[in-house]
Amino acid sequence: DIQMTQSPSSLSASVGDRVTITCRTSQSIYSYLNWYQQKPGMAPKLLISFASGLQSGVPSRFSGSGSGTDFTLTVSSLQPEDFTTYYCLQTYNFPRTFGQGTKVEIK
Amino acid sequence: QVRLQQWGAGLLKPSETLSLTCAVYGESFSGHYWTWIRQPPGKGLEWIGEITHRGSTNYNPSLKSRVSISADTLKSQVSLKLYSVTAADTAVYYCARDFTSWGQGTLVTVSS
Repeated sequence: DIQMTQSPSSLSASVGDRVTITCRTSQSIYSYLNWYQQKPGMAPKLLISFASGLQSGVPSRFSGSGSGTDFTLTVSSLQPEDFTTYYCLQTYNFPRTFGQGTKVEIK
Repeated sequence: QVRLQQWGAGLLKPSETLSLTCAVYGESFSGHYWTWIRQPPGKGLEWIGEITHRGSTNYNPSLKSRVSISADTLKSQVSLKLYSVTAADTAVYYCARDFTSWGQGTLVTVSS
């Protein structure tokens, strides 16, 4: 199985801050990585597919980068609605595996 | 725009079978793969398995002996069965299309 190491597990930030979340995989997954945002009581929402593909309707302050084993999700300027939990997911092979999640909290 | 609506029993006793169905509206069933994911209360996401529109399946090895995913292309529905449930199977269960569009989630609680 491909192991996913997502960091940090939580972070505190302020509105307007730039934040970066990292996902590292135990072997190369090329660009087969998605990023999700999940708000309490809701299904995850796809933000980024194939490492850097911004989904339609997702604000441009979200961006993804990386390939191989190291990936990042960046929020360029945090907005109040962005304080929630984020997950990465590899779809390179089976079993599909998720990162442990990063909770972004208000400082 | 695709919409996924899921349903099934929300309260089970240990050893019973979890059974959930996910109906797809607004888009063709063909050409996609359909996935089940679960999330225990307060915890992260776990992939259960998936089925292609042609009926090919893949399962999480940790659940493979107890899980079955099937599809009814005529009804545009995907079903999940998880056998011999325990309290550890208590979770919100989601269906998803290609990991892009997700159902609303169904909380399944296993308790005696």
